[in-house]
Amino acid sequence: DAGVIQSPRHEVTEMGQEVTLRCKPISGHDYLFWYRQTMMRGLELLIYFNNNVPIDDSGMPEDRFSAKMPNASFSTLKIQPSEPRDSAVYFCASSKQGSGAPETQYFGPGTRLLVL
Amino acid sequence: SQKIEQNSEALNIQEGKTATLTCNYTNYSPAYLQWYRQDPGRGPVFLLLIRENEKEKRKERLKVTFDTTLKQSLFHITASQPADSATYLCARPLSGGSYIPTFGRGTSLIVHP
Repeated sequence: DAGVIQSPRHEVTEMGQEVTLRCKPISGHDYLFWYRQTMMRGLELLIYFNNNVPIDDSGMPEDRFSAKMPNASFSTLKIQPSEPRDSAVYFCASSKQGSGAPETQYFGPGTRLLVL
Repeated sequence: SQKIEQNSEALNIQEGKTATLTCNYTNYSPAYLQWYRQDPGRGPVFLLLIRENEKEKRKERLKVTFDTTLKQSLFHITASQPADSATYLCARPLSGGSYIPTFGRGTSLIVHP
């Protein structure tokens, strides 16, 4: 298995532009997570999906952020319009829910976003 | 809110020594804690999970303890090697009954040859 795939790996954009981050989870995993990591705030959960349905988006910072999961093998995180404070590394992770047991998360390599 | 606290200062040790990292949590005692390793430019990688009814868990040179009285988990790497240099993250469930983790900010470990 190729693991969780994210694209692009790096993104540099100007303030006000739309940014779309993409994620392909591990096949067979039914949970997908989007995280943001900064030096100041660490790793923050933004939103997670179960079977393609958004379950908790309370971590999404503002209405400028939106996430979709149109099918089991693809998810996007969109920022529109982007601002310099959105600069961070964005991780996608997936996991498979066991029979009542906590499952570990498998992280992608991340997208390093810089908004100028 | 449930919090995870890890020492923000980097831990510097000599090769061959035992590294000990600390994870403190607040509020209710979680059903389990997880430890992840993160290398620069990469996503976190799962290492170990310890449940509240387990005092200790081992995996090769790694050992994790869980003290519900102190509300603390310790992560040990014995016979440390420069390749163990990384940031180590502790995680706990978001809330009781949840399997969704919330992460500490991690502690950077630097093992000097």
